[in-house]
Amino acid sequence: EVQLVESGGGLVQPGGSLRLSCAASGFTFSDYTMYWVRQAPGKGLEWVSYIDGRGGSIHYVDSVKGRFTASRDNAKNSLYLQMNSLRDEDTAVYYCARGTPTLAYFEYWGQGALVTVSS
Amino acid sequence: EIVLTQSPATLSLSPGERATLSCRASQSVSNKLAWYQQKPGQPPRLLIYDASTRATGIPGRFSGSGSGTDFTLTISSLEPEDTAVYYCQHRASWPLTFGPGTKVDI
Repeated sequence: EVQLVESGGGLVQPGGSLRLSCAASGFTFSDYTMYWVRQAPGKGLEWVSYIDGRGGSIHYVDSVKGRFTASRDNAKNSLYLQMNSLRDEDTAVYYCARGTPTLAYFEYWGQGALVTVSS
Repeated sequence: EIVLTQSPATLSLSPGERATLSCRASQSVSNKLAWYQQKPGQPPRLLIYDASTRATGIPGRFSGSGSGTDFTLTISSLEPEDTAVYYCQHRASWPLTFGPGTKVDI
């Protein structure tokens, strides 16, 4: 059974940093692209980042470029999102998602980690 | 950036009725479009990908159609558990984007 479990969320002040982790199990982690998708309270979904199976290709939504860094450790079956220079508008539930085998769709999702940016 | 618009914003129907949800792209995405269902307090669930292919375990009452810029998600006979927000998402280019969602009340 595919499982994705996010951790590391919490309350942080504007300008601060936070690192999210996603522990994956139930599949061969290195075979799959992974994503971060966020959802502000009461709002819709926003794709944040993509990382390929080896970590060699990474893409971000423009609003987080230069501030967020996605990475993965295939030996630990883990995905990460380092978030720096956080802004109020980064407040959201952050979901870790696994891609479909060959296509950029989100086949499996974690339960999400809430990040609140507030002074 | 490809912008996805969804209509209607809200759909209120009765069990057994047919629901038709629309997603329109600001430029052609070919068939590179998916639909997701999100219930309150839960992560989204992939329903349909590549416009018309049902994801694993998705009931047959869900179907997708369309190509280019106009897409439709049809729920043939609504069940009470279909109450949710439905989002479309394209994979045609970076950035990946979602539509704003259609809320279905049953």
